[in-house]
Amino acid sequence: ETGVTQSPTHLIKTRGQQVTLRCSSQSGHNTVSWYQQALGQGPQFIFQYYREEENGRGNFPPRFSGLQFPNYSSELNVNALELDDSALYLCASSLKTGGLSGNTIYFGEGSWLTVV
Amino acid sequence: AQSVTQPDIHITVSEGASLELRCNYSYGATPYLFWYVQSPGQGLQLLLKYFSGDTLVQGIKGFEAEFKRSQSSFNLRKPSVHWSDAAEYFCAVGAGSSSASKIIFGSGTRLSIRP
Repeated sequence: ETGVTQSPTHLIKTRGQQVTLRCSSQSGHNTVSWYQQALGQGPQFIFQYYREEENGRGNFPPRFSGLQFPNYSSELNVNALELDDSALYLCASSLKTGGLSGNTIYFGEGSWLTVV
Repeated sequence: AQSVTQPDIHITVSEGASLELRCNYSYGATPYLFWYVQSPGQGLQLLLKYFSGDTLVQGIKGFEAEFKRSQSSFNLRKPSVHWSDAAEYFCAVGAGSSSASKIIFGSGTRLSIRP
């Protein structure tokens, strides 16, 4: 148990639709990151939120967006879904005290998205 | 650019045998290195991490890894594998400034255990 919970666990969407995935961080963690893991590949960094602001972004188009709330929970929104968006989406929470040194990053079990 | 290479896509070992999973990284500064394990349909679990100090790092479930700067490697080892170790293993490097830290993952090595 990492204390990071994600919902929903599985969902199916149609190409062109929009989806919202949710993440509840571990208690006390103020930083959340989102990763996309396509089948047979390693996770890829989408973006990170710290104190409700985007704080770093990977190579993903603007139709991938997010929010972080005052309680540090987070949402990942994907607009205009494409077939290639089918993947496991992982949320990771951590406590930002100056970077990765000394921090432990905890991952949730992910949300499986299938786009048909 | 930072990157992680796991040259073995799939490895099969017999239960009780020793294991070594290879990992090479590319990173300009002192790397933060991780090994994660992922069971089918599950999220990622941290096995161990290296930030500084002793280059031989002990982790959970009997795993260890050795950081070799000269070889840009961070190989994962276990002296005797158990059937429950069958899973996907990811090597990763921490990247970015302290204000936007992210983890870059390798493509993973799938470990199968032969009875």
